[in-house]
Amino acid sequence: DTGVSQNPRHKITKRGQNVTFRCDPISEHNRLYWYRQTLGQGPEFLTYFQNEAQLEKSRLLSDRFSAERPKGSFSTLEIQRTEQGDSAMYLCASSQNLNTEAFFGQGTRLTVV
Amino acid sequence: DAKTTQPPSMDCAEGRAANLPCNHSTISGNEYVYWYRQIHSQGPQYIIHGLKNNETNEMASLIITEDRKSSTLILPHATLRDTAVYYCIVRVAEGDYKLSFGAGTTVTVRA
Repeated sequence: DTGVSQNPRHKITKRGQNVTFRCDPISEHNRLYWYRQTLGQGPEFLTYFQNEAQLEKSRLLSDRFSAERPKGSFSTLEIQRTEQGDSAMYLCASSQNLNTEAFFGQGTRLTVV
Repeated sequence: DAKTTQPPSMDCAEGRAANLPCNHSTISGNEYVYWYRQIHSQGPQYIIHGLKNNETNEMASLIITEDRKSSTLILPHATLRDTAVYYCIVRVAEGDYKLSFGAGTTVTVRA
């Protein structure tokens, strides 16, 4: 395992459909973060986990969004009833602890048509 | 976390040093300066971070002014592969990675 892995890399979905993305962090990294990045902007924080506990959620994370990390390893981000405004790159990052840098995955690019 | 200000874009000649400025005038004593970069269609990549002293690693050097209100990231010998968006971020020591990326500086390295 050489880095954070995200799947799928690309997803095209019709408006109103549900989508789920997966993130596999670097082994033994107990902190996992989700970010969203729209075209031309920097990434924006969505939520983070310490092990399996979701410790904070941004107000960007509407009720249609839910994230889980059931066993403190991989994480999923689900978007229900997708809207065109959800089109973005969804990035996952992990870090070993508070004192080490976070490593980002390649992201999942979502296009809602 | 304190906010940062970066120029929106800059060009650099291949093989020359690239000096990327960042202002963080409201930085607190317990906040680090971090630099990440993002190559097109990839996730952000960590470059370097520092608190007060200048730092150097295999990728870059970070120069922080004595009053810590600004810093400069130096890419010593820019290559075409260094073309990317560079983000200067201030982060509380031992704080969680709720990074505020801003718009960054788009650096274009030209042959």
